[in-house]
Amino acid sequence: EAGVAQSPRYKIIEKRQSVAFWCNPISGHATLYWYQQILGQGPKLLIQFQNNGVVDDSQLPKDRFSAERLKGVDSTLKIQPAKLEDSAVYLCASSLALVAGELFFGEGSRLTVL
Amino acid sequence: DQQVKQNSPSLSVQEGRISILNCDYTNSMFDYFLWYKKYPAEGPTFLISISSIKDKNEDGRFTVFLNKSAKHLSLHIVPSQPGDSAVYFCAASIIGNEKLTFGTGTRLTIIP
Repeated sequence: EAGVAQSPRYKIIEKRQSVAFWCNPISGHATLYWYQQILGQGPKLLIQFQNNGVVDDSQLPKDRFSAERLKGVDSTLKIQPAKLEDSAVYLCASSLALVAGELFFGEGSRLTVL
Repeated sequence: DQQVKQNSPSLSVQEGRISILNCDYTNSMFDYFLWYKKYPAEGPTFLISISSIKDKNEDGRFTVFLNKSAKHLSLHIVPSQPGDSAVYFCAASIIGNEKLTFGTGTRLTIIP
């Protein structure tokens, strides 16, 4: 079974530029998450989708971050304009159902903002 | 506000000995707890979980203990193996909501 796919793996941009990350979850997984992991910290939830609807985006900085999951499958996370403090690994995860349980994570997209 | 805390950033253990990783939480609404393991340049992978109706859950070399009154859980690895060297994250959630709140992680190094 294929895992959660993310791209790009690495991205370096200047501050105020824009960047987009793509995620393809495990086939059949209805729930998709974007987490931000800053160096030395644990992953922090940015947004949670159930199919193509948003369940929780309370910690998403909506002035600069946006995410969509059209057709309830793959998803994109966009940052515009980027700030220095956005340097982090962006992790996508998926799961089968909206109950507490096991999330399957992708390898992450490492963003460096200069 | 750090609701899930892992106060030991790193831990070194001799191969074959027991590794004990600790985690504390402050939100009494949490009723489901998980441990994830992360190797460099990879995403976290699920290791073991426990619900608040239990105080112990065992899976092979891995055992998680939950002390609800102390709001504390621990992961025991016996015996420790070199492949166990990784960063371990404790996570907590409320059953019915898959949102996970993670701790800051503990880097475990197993010394051959």
